Amino acid sequence: EAQVTQNPRYLITVTGKKLTVTCSQNMNHEYMSWYRQDPGLGLRQIYYSMNVEVTDKGDVPEGYKVSRKEKRNFPLILESPSPNQTSLYFCASSLSSAEPTDTQYFGPGTRLTVL
Amino acid sequence: GENVEQHPSTLSVQEGDSAVIKCTYSDSASNYFPWYKQELGKRPQLIIDIRSNVGEKKDQRIAVTLNKTAKHFSLHITETQPEDSAVYFCAASIPGTYKYIFGTGTRLKVLA
Repeated sequence: EAQVTQNPRYLITVTGKKLTVTCSQNMNHEYMSWYRQDPGLGLRQIYYSMNVEVTDKGDVPEGYKVSRKEKRNFPLILESPSPNQTSLYFCASSLSSAEPTDTQYFGPGTRLTVL
Repeated sequence: GENVEQHPSTLSVQEGDSAVIKCTYSDSASNYFPWYKQELGKRPQLIIDIRSNVGEKKDQRIAVTLNKTAKHFSLHITETQPEDSAVYFCAASIPGTYKYIFGTGTRLKVLA
């Protein structure tokens, strides 16, 4: 089944404890992206990747890191999480990065709470 | 920077009535405008999209219109049904940057 998967789905952690949220897609998509969703603010793009080893900042990259060593995986790293990073996180992918007009497929989401 | 404004933030309609959600974008170079539906506790899913070379697109009860001069686009849902109740997000992509900017969402409630 074609899909985008994220792990973990729920995470409660403490300030400063490094964590990684994994994202994987099995559709051979070139483009992958991370978003955070907060009430009243909609979806805000954190980082995106056009292909392996090519990443760039979205609108809210502060406090996050990403890597794209393989086409199918795009992990989101919080090296020192803070309470203002408590949010619902979505990974998404689309087929082509030739131009950003392809359908984005979203993962199921990761609800992160930082105490 | 690029901004997308979405209105209204909440919308209640009677079953069978039409619903209209509007978005305005700031970057005139934006060329792709998708609409996503997010049901409670679920992931956003694309329901319709439009490219800048097209003025209108329809898919059954859903339509999207684009006015490039005014830099706004709208989602129209006709004959609304209770299963249309969800949060709807508009978005605009910025050519050359591969970035997407989303609106803040509209919570649509269809009253039976």
